[in-house]
Amino acid sequence: EVQLVESGGGLVQPGGSLRLSCAASGFSFGNYEMNWVRQAPGKGLEWVSYISTTSGTIYYADSVKGRFTISRDNAKNSLYLQMDSLRAEDTAVYYCARDLWVANIHEGAFDIWGQGTMVTVSS
Amino acid sequence: EIVMTQSPVTLSVSPGERATLSCRASQSVSSNLAWYQQKPGQAPRLLISGASTRATGIPARFSGSGSGTEFTLTISSLQSEDFAVYYCQHYNNWPLTFGPGTKVDIK
Repeated sequence: EVQLVESGGGLVQPGGSLRLSCAASGFSFGNYEMNWVRQAPGKGLEWVSYISTTSGTIYYADSVKGRFTISRDNAKNSLYLQMDSLRAEDTAVYYCARDLWVANIHEGAFDIWGQGTMVTVSS
Repeated sequence: EIVMTQSPVTLSVSPGERATLSCRASQSVSSNLAWYQQKPGQAPRLLISGASTRATGIPARFSGSGSGTEFTLTISSLQSEDFAVYYCQHYNNWPLTFGPGTKVDIK
């Protein structure tokens, strides 16, 4: 079964750090581009970051640039998000999501999502 | 940054009826547009990519259309399991952005 499982969420004080992990299974993780998407409580979806298969291309939303770092370990089938200088507005469920490939064409839609991990930034 | 807007905010529909959801981009995204369904407590599920291509396992009652800046998701005959929030997302350039969502609820 194709699956993504996030972990590492929790309660952290403003200014603190947290590292999220996403474990992939059931597919060739190293062949897929990956993303982090978040959703604040009761709000909509916000794309956070993207990483290419070789980690050679990385993008961030302006809201997290300079504070968050995306990375991956293809040997461990894992995706990570290092979150530093956390703010109250970073409180959200964080999802990892896989980029879609259709007929050997790379699309920027997300076809596989994890169940999410909750991050709460509060004193 | 491309701003995505969706209308209506809430759509009240009776089971078996047709639902039409709209998504607009602040500038052209060509056909680089996806639709997702999200139910409470669940992760989003991909319905449509490329503005009109159904994802694997998505029923034929879901259809997408449009290009450029105007897009539509149509659910031809609403089933009980279709009551949810629907988001559009462009992937034409960076940053990727989502619309605010349309909630489809039972009339």
